[in-house]
Amino acid sequence: DARVTQTPRHKVTEMGQEVTMRCQPILGHNTVFWYRQTMMQGLELLAYFRNRAPLDDSGMPKDRFSAEMPDATLATLKIQPSEPRDSAVYFCASGGSGQYNSPLHFGNGTRLTVT
Amino acid sequence: DAKTTQPPSMDCAEGRAANLPCNHSTISGNEYVYWYRQIHSQGPQYIIHGLKNNETNEMASLIITEDRKSSTLILPHATLRDTAVYYCIVRVAAAGNKLTFGGGTRVLVKP
Repeated sequence: DARVTQTPRHKVTEMGQEVTMRCQPILGHNTVFWYRQTMMQGLELLAYFRNRAPLDDSGMPKDRFSAEMPDATLATLKIQPSEPRDSAVYFCASGGSGQYNSPLHFGNGTRLTVT
Repeated sequence: DAKTTQPPSMDCAEGRAANLPCNHSTISGNEYVYWYRQIHSQGPQYIIHGLKNNETNEMASLIITEDRKSSTLILPHATLRDTAVYYCIVRVAAAGNKLTFGGGTRVLVKP
């Protein structure tokens, strides 16, 4: 089965360090989404791309977060500098372009702990 | 996107059908109903979606009322592995559009 791949699965870092999370969308999908999940806030949309161009990143703290798609097979989410409140599970999802109602498919996330 | 209302939790007996309700009374004509579930420590998993007709796949059935103001996800024979949080989401039919998650229903399948 085609799947969205996220690396690393777990990341523990100290406050102030840079964190980079990577996502490989399903081959042929042209939309990529980044979500964050915490106990308090649930699943929140951070940013999303279509055809590698950012469509909406209003959910993302601009001063420390950045999201890019260097190519069609890789999406990255960076936090610099990281803070304890960034501790969460970060999910990437991708969607197909063939139909406007095609479902999104999610990876299994990167669990980030900032101490 | 229209808001949805789901019960926060429900229990189900293993082997029995699980019927998960969802209210979406403000749904628009161009919004689909999607169901996802999230098993502990995994990403959300797509289950099924529909516009106005009932839908069935290998995982579940989706029943949408005629006025489209509510729907029910049916897991025909619940197993312990179906224990998860189930999310009902309405989503505008537009290319590459986002999903907005609510609180979902925490379903516990009991032996």
